[in-house]
Parts: sequence; C-alpha cells; structure tokens
Amino acid sequence: DTAVSQTPKYLVTQMGNDKSIKCEQNLGHDTMYWYKQDSKKFLKIMFSYNNKELIINETVPNRFSPKSPDKAHLNLHINSLELGDSAVYFCASSQEAAQETQYFGPGTRLLVL
Amino acid sequence: QKEVEQDPGPLSVPEGAIVSLNCTYSNSAFQYFMWYRQYSRKGPELLMYTYSSGNKEDGRFTAQVDKSSKYISLFIRDSQPSDSATYLCAFFTYNTDKLIFGTGTRLQVFP
Repeated sequence: DTAVSQTPKYLVTQMGNDKSIKCEQNLGHDTMYWYKQDSKKFLKIMFSYNNKELIINETVPNRFSPKSPDKAHLNLHINSLELGDSAVYFCASSQEAAQETQYFGPGTRLLVL
Repeated sequence: QKEVEQDPGPLSVPEGAIVSLNCTYSNSAFQYFMWYRQYSRKGPELLMYTYSSGNKEDGRFTAQVDKSSKYISLFIRDSQPSDSATYLCAFFTYNTDKLIFGTGTRLQVFP
C-alpha cells in the first residue's frame, strides 16, 4: 500500500496553461505539505495544511493555490504556468503539525514548455 | 552565509568503503537533525534523526551531531551498490515548524 501518493507522475504542458496535482495519504496523518525541488535538487517547502487549515504559506507566487478537501488530501493548482515552474513537486505528510518526521510521496515531475 | 551547506558531490566509492557525508549549518535554533535518502526519481525517505549532540547508530549507518561546531555527519560502513542515492541533510526547529534541507550529496557505490 502506498502511504503518500501523487498524481500525475509526469506533467508536460505549455506555458500559460493551468494544471493541478493531487496528493493523498493513507497514514491517518493530520498534516500535509507541498515541497518544490528544483533542478539543483534543492528541496523547499511551499505550503503546509493541518486538518484542512493552511498553517505554512511560504513566499510563493499566488498563481499557486493549495486546496485540502479533507485531511487525507492536498491538491495543488497552478495557474498561468511559467517556464520557471518546471520542477519536481513533492507532497509529504506528518502525524501532527510542527513535526520533524515527514513522509514523502514519489513526486510529480512538471515540465513547462 | 547559507543556513545549510552540503557538498553536492558526486561521491564515487567502491563497494565496502566507509562513506562520510557532511553538512554545516548556521542556525543555532535547529533542534532536530535528520538524514534523508533519495533514490533517483523517488521521494526522499527518512533515514535517521537525532536531537542531541553525539552519535546514533542504526545498522551500517551512524549519524553524528556536533552542536558546538554546527556540523552533522552521516557515516555509512561497508557501503553497498544499493546505497547509491542522493543523501539530504535536514534540520527542524519549532521556531518555524519547517524542515530545512541541504542541497544533497549524490553518492555512487560501484561493485
């Protein structure tokens, strides 16, 4: 059973399009995260939700909008995609908020052409 | 000064070698010190974590933290080809509730 899953695995799209990435965790965790990993492998947090409530919102363009329909799901919608959005996006979860032990999904590789 | 510095490698060693991976950090508020392993095209997985200075051992892996020098290390004994991956150091503080990652060191263990 996959603990943290993401769809799609790969996403290739044109500049200016709008796209969504979905994440689901079956660990019963309360907190979920979105991270971005750039081409140099630098992994940085974007957002964090605890029980459907936004608790961390890093300096991310407002073209990025997370949505948590329930505590097991966290989606990321990106409007007006730009070339610089090309990266690997990882979803993660932890038992509670402010937890050092986080479990990562397999990543969604986004390529904007 | 960057908050976390990690040598990107790549590091290439023969099977059976002892590997040393290192990170330095500048934020004295960091409370948890972690190592994540990331295989190619996979998500990071937590390998080890500790919250105090000293050594912590788990099988072939030893995590070492020196808070006074703001330096952490991961040692891998008897390295195996299956250890080939990128190793990311990570730090956590309740001040910000965020995990801060190093840029990762790519390790290749050849048979």
